[in-house]
Amino acid sequence: GENVEQHPSTLSVQEGDSAVIKCTYSDSASNYFPWYKQELGKRPQLIIDIRSNVGEKKDQRIAVTLNKTAKHFSLHITETQPEDSAVYFCAGYNFNKFYFGSGTKLNVKP
Amino acid sequence: DAGVIQSPRHEVTEMGQEVTLRCKPISGHNSLFWYRQTMMRGLELLIYFNNNVPIDDSGMPEDRFSAKMPNASFSTLKIQPSEPRDSAVYFCASSLRELALNEQFFGPGTRLTVL
Repeated sequence: GENVEQHPSTLSVQEGDSAVIKCTYSDSASNYFPWYKQELGKRPQLIIDIRSNVGEKKDQRIAVTLNKTAKHFSLHITETQPEDSAVYFCAGYNFNKFYFGSGTKLNVKP
Repeated sequence: DAGVIQSPRHEVTEMGQEVTLRCKPISGHNSLFWYRQTMMRGLELLIYFNNNVPIDDSGMPEDRFSAKMPNASFSTLKIQPSEPRDSAVYFCASSLRELALNEQFFGPGTRLTVL
């Protein structure tokens, strides 16, 4: 089956700086890669996703890039704000199953 | 749409008791997933259904765990008997399994504590 690895496990940045979280996957059949944000005590919520036929997608301060050849994808958050502090999960999707990374705890210091 | 609905939101029970968690997926969604989240193991897929049929239950940890989906709008996850190590947050999620529409939406979760 698919194996999704996520790095780093924790990330601390100063407000206004950029944050980058990286994930790799093992199964080339994976074709959809969502990113979820989970605030403390809340449910994971989809913030951005990318499909395998696209290399990059941007939505305001967040962007995701996908390198199918290298089997890795990344989440980029620019101009970070304290409310961006949360745990972020990447996932790969194939054959109707979502395989989640282990999560990155992002701390944005004011 | 109210989104994915789960009940109860919190459950505290004693070891050995039966626990039943409930989920109502988003109307029209045909895939339903049960996850367990702990600090140690992260987010684990327990089982998923397509069109009410269990497709993959390889993540179900033991025979003490069982899940059903009697119709398109309701699913249950049962633990019998419960043990302290079952303490976790259990999420239900649903999606529409179509070629270009497979975003997954999570419910608010059930926080289970087994004493």
